[in-house]
Amino acid sequence: RKEVEQDPGPFNVPEGATVAFNCTYSNSASQSFFWYRQDCRKEPKLLMSVYSSGNEDGRFTAQLNRASQYISLLIRDSKLSDSATYLCVVNKGGSYIPTFGRGTSLIVHP
Amino acid sequence: DAGVTQSPTHLIKTRGQQVTLRCSPKSGHDTVSWYQQALGQGPQFIFQYYEEEERQRGNFPDRFSGHQFPNYSSELNVNALLLGDSALYLCASSLAGPSSGNTIYFGEGSWLTVV
Repeated sequence: RKEVEQDPGPFNVPEGATVAFNCTYSNSASQSFFWYRQDCRKEPKLLMSVYSSGNEDGRFTAQLNRASQYISLLIRDSKLSDSATYLCVVNKGGSYIPTFGRGTSLIVHP
Repeated sequence: DAGVTQSPTHLIKTRGQQVTLRCSPKSGHDTVSWYQQALGQGPQFIFQYYEEEERQRGNFPDRFSGHQFPNYSSELNVNALLLGDSALYLCASSLAGPSSGNTIYFGEGSWLTVV
């Protein structure tokens, strides 16, 4: 089983839709969680950290479920500019090295 | 505030050749990590340098080596290139410290094609 697993998609949604991605991780010692966004042929960029209590940044909401070992990303009112690959990133406690999922592709169409 | 810079941005090499990729970390950062990202995959960790030493290494063969300089910049060297080494090579910088939650920042990457 991979350390971090994501559905590669693509998720194809119309503008204005709400879409959610999940990411599961295998190591229960994981302590830090992030979502990165990667545009086509570009580098990954930090979208948001994921806190135990859940956190929201505008149209984006991230949640952590430690019991089931997954994190989620919810995007409301999708925009065309949200089209990208969303990478789930998990960092084990005591490790300096984050582990990336393969990413979930989102395509928002008019 | 300069971000992470990498060079070259694109290069084409022949099987068996050697390549050197370069990275300057974000201003104030002292830790550099290298990742390989094949098409359709997430970044795979190659190794990390801190205080000019390789601190941790991923599951990559010895053909992949690196170096960090006193100014924190870094090089990634790949010897005896294989077709499968074709990928985007990403450099990421961060601040060292006991916290495992330090945010990493990526450079734009170096696209390597091996023919």
